[in-house]
Formats: sequence, C-alpha cells, structure tokens
Amino acid sequence: SQTIHQWPATLVQPVGSPLSLECTVEGTSNPNLYWYRQAAGRGLQLLFYSVGIGQISSEVPQNLSASRPQDRQFILSSKKLLLSDSGFYLCAYGQGSSSYNSPLHFGNGTRLTVT
Amino acid sequence: AQRVTQPEKLLSVFKGAPVELKCNYSYSGSPELFWYVQYSRQRLQLLLRHISRESIKGFTADLNKGETSFHLKKPFAQEEDSAMYYCALTRDDKIIFGKGTRLHILP
Repeated sequence: SQTIHQWPATLVQPVGSPLSLECTVEGTSNPNLYWYRQAAGRGLQLLFYSVGIGQISSEVPQNLSASRPQDRQFILSSKKLLLSDSGFYLCAYGQGSSSYNSPLHFGNGTRLTVT
Repeated sequence: AQRVTQPEKLLSVFKGAPVELKCNYSYSGSPELFWYVQYSRQRLQLLLRHISRESIKGFTADLNKGETSFHLKKPFAQEEDSAMYYCALTRDDKIIFGKGTRLHILP
C-alpha cells in the first residue's frame, strides 16, 4: 500500500539556524511531490513541487529551498531560518506523470516554530 | 493566473439543514477541480473530484463553467461534517488550493 512519511512532527529552531524537513513516499514510483505551508486564514500555499528526481519548481520566492535526491524523497531546507518561516508544513504526493484524476495524499505535517 | 476563491472563512449550519460551501475559480483552460477535507486531528484528504461526478458522504459538487463555480452541497448536515474544507484546482502538475472554509455544524 502507498504511504507518505513526514518528519519531524514538531520542530523548534532559533532564528538563523538551518532547516531540513524530510518527506518520503512508499508503494509508488515516480510520484509528483509537493510542499505546502498551511496557515490559518491563508489556506494551503504551494511552495514547491517536483515531477522527477532533481526537478524542482518554486512557486513563491522565499527563504526556503527544496531538493529531490531520490525518486521518493523530498526535502525542504533553509540555510538561515527567519521568524516568518514559522508555520505548518505539509508534504503531499500525487500519482503518475500528471495530476489529472490523481488526488493528493498528504503527510501528517510538521509544525515549525522559529524563536 | 489560476486562482481559487472560497469566500467564507466560517460557515455555521444547524444539524439537518442544507449545506453549501462556495468555491469560485479563475482559469483559462479546462479545469480539474477537487474538494479536500480535514477533520479534527486527521490528515487532509480528498473528499471528491468533479471528473468522477460522485457523491461522497452525502456531498456533491457540480462544475458550472459559466459561473466558474464548484460549490459543495449536502442536503442535510450531520454533526460529523464539522471540518475544514478546501477547494482545489489542478493545472498541469500544480494543485492550487483556496483558503478554506471551516464548517461548524450546530446541534
């Protein structure tokens, strides 16, 4: 069966420190992978998506970056965190080469607090 | 640019009353639209998609291209319908979400 793992569940980091959030998918190959930030009143903001290894599309200019070193691994990073990076981050995957008829499956999310 | 608008942040409905969660979109091509739901302490998950024309948990949604809407409806609300609902639009490999509507079912 297909599953998606995202960790850590919660993270408290000081301003200026680096960040690495990891997401892995099991039970499917060549998924489309997504990073979203969920905020009250702002909904789900698409940050990055990837349709293949090494292929990253950025939706919003920001202090974050993403990488896909393996087919089913998606990493969200920052070299120096800002207070404004605090939030709830969701990883998701969709099956196939297109998201047509393919719903997203979400991880449990990571609550990041930058202090 | 494509955009999804959910005008209501919060919708309170009495149990047994009809529910309508509004969703409007802007997109120049043929849209693929979805509704996602997040129940308390659960993952965000797909509720239904317009291509399937299905009814899930009593909910339906019809794509109206003339009004560029994809409203979610249920004739009789149940307490377990209380959740956060997101409308989403797919374009190529991007999935764009609205800001969400919190549905609160009153006893």
